[in-house]
Amino acid sequence: GAVVSQHPSRVICKSGTSVKIECRSLDFQATTMFWYRQFPKQSLMLMATSNEGSKATYEQGVEKDKFLINHASLTLSTLTVTSAHPEDSSFYICSARDQAGTSGSTDTQYFGPGTRLTVL
Amino acid sequence: QKEVEQNSGPLSVPEGAIASLNCTYSDRVSQSFFWYRQYSGKSPELIMSIYSNGDKEDGRFTAQLNKASQYVSLLIRDSQPSDSATYLCAVSGGGYNKLIFGAGTRLAVHP
Repeated sequence: GAVVSQHPSRVICKSGTSVKIECRSLDFQATTMFWYRQFPKQSLMLMATSNEGSKATYEQGVEKDKFLINHASLTLSTLTVTSAHPEDSSFYICSARDQAGTSGSTDTQYFGPGTRLTVL
Repeated sequence: QKEVEQNSGPLSVPEGAIASLNCTYSDRVSQSFFWYRQYSGKSPELIMSIYSNGDKEDGRFTAQLNKASQYVSLLIRDSQPSDSATYLCAVSGGGYNKLIFGAGTRLAVHP
């Protein structure tokens, strides 16, 4: 149990284009999902908290108009990197919170496999 | 500023030994504590969760929590080369149970 998927796993795009990343909880419902970014040899950086049916909460310094988050259902959140530039190249990882403890561990976050974005 | 501190390592242990990973946190009201393992180029994988003082064992892993000292640790018995990874300590804090992560400790198990 407690499987979180992400799609795509890897994407290469040209500067100025937009990229959408999907995050799905496959065997539990997640009212809350989180989006992280990780640069090489650095720690995870929380970008935003995605709440089903409401606006996302962004961390300080993260541009909400550049990183659009939509959490339209209890199993799906999407992150759209708009007008991507080379400095947006990074490893984007989502996590989903199993509030109900369906996986056997209450209030635990499970991570998706990540999406490696390269902007040329 | 809520913080989670870990020694960055690398912590080098021989195969078969016990690896001890430590973590301290600053927010006294933290309730949930987690250890994640992250292999290079991969996303974090949950190893253990612990919510109350004391020890919690799962196979070769034992998590220890001491809320009075604001300290949580992870012991890995019979360490294997496949345990070589970065271990992230995470503490729940803030709204929506955001996780506050430590920077991670890199563990290297050598044959």
